[in-house]
Amino acid sequence: EDQVTQSPEALRLQEGESSSLNCSYTVSGLRGLFWYRQDPGKGPEFLFTLYSAGEEKEKERLKATLTKKESFLHITAPKPEDSATYLCAVQARGFQKLVFGTGTRLLVSP
Amino acid sequence: DVKVTQSSRYLVKRTGEKVFLECVQDMDHENMFWYRQDPGLGLRLIYFSYDVKMKEKGDIPEGYSVSREKKERFSLILESASTSQTSMYLCASGLGTEPQHFGDGTRLSIL
Repeated sequence: EDQVTQSPEALRLQEGESSSLNCSYTVSGLRGLFWYRQDPGKGPEFLFTLYSAGEEKEKERLKATLTKKESFLHITAPKPEDSATYLCAVQARGFQKLVFGTGTRLLVSP
Repeated sequence: DVKVTQSSRYLVKRTGEKVFLECVQDMDHENMFWYRQDPGLGLRLIYFSYDVKMKEKGDIPEGYSVSREKKERFSLILESASTSQTSMYLCASGLGTEPQHFGDGTRLSIL
């Protein structure tokens, strides 16, 4: 069964304090790994797709990386507006559905 | 930009009622999805549709049905609402292997 585990559940950072979020996965043939950001009361907003081990994607202060067993979302010098829940999901080959982790709640204090 | 619109942000219904949640997308996407999101459980797939009048069960379809009469519209139906169906419901649409795009959700309370 495809499975996604995210850690930590919650993370509190000071503004400018860099850190990483982890997404460990097991899937029967990875088609893609997706990162989303979710603000309170809103739907998930797409950030990145990674398709193969060794791939990296960047957007502003965020950088996503992928290995055969896990993905990291690195946050460099975060700002308070980066506070949100970050969700990781995998899609197996031959399937349309996404399997989500339970997310990491990030709070960045000024 | 892709826009996925859910008809209600908040909804309060009574047990036993038949409840309809509506979702419309404006990007001609072939795939549409209904998820529910609960604390500690994450997003779980209820049903999805890959074409008009086509549907497939997700991981937790019990107590739900869906309807897709037009490509842009996907409805989730709670046949006889129960308190265990109190949740945040999220609709998404996508094309092939492209990322899914989500609406802002409907927070449904069943009393």
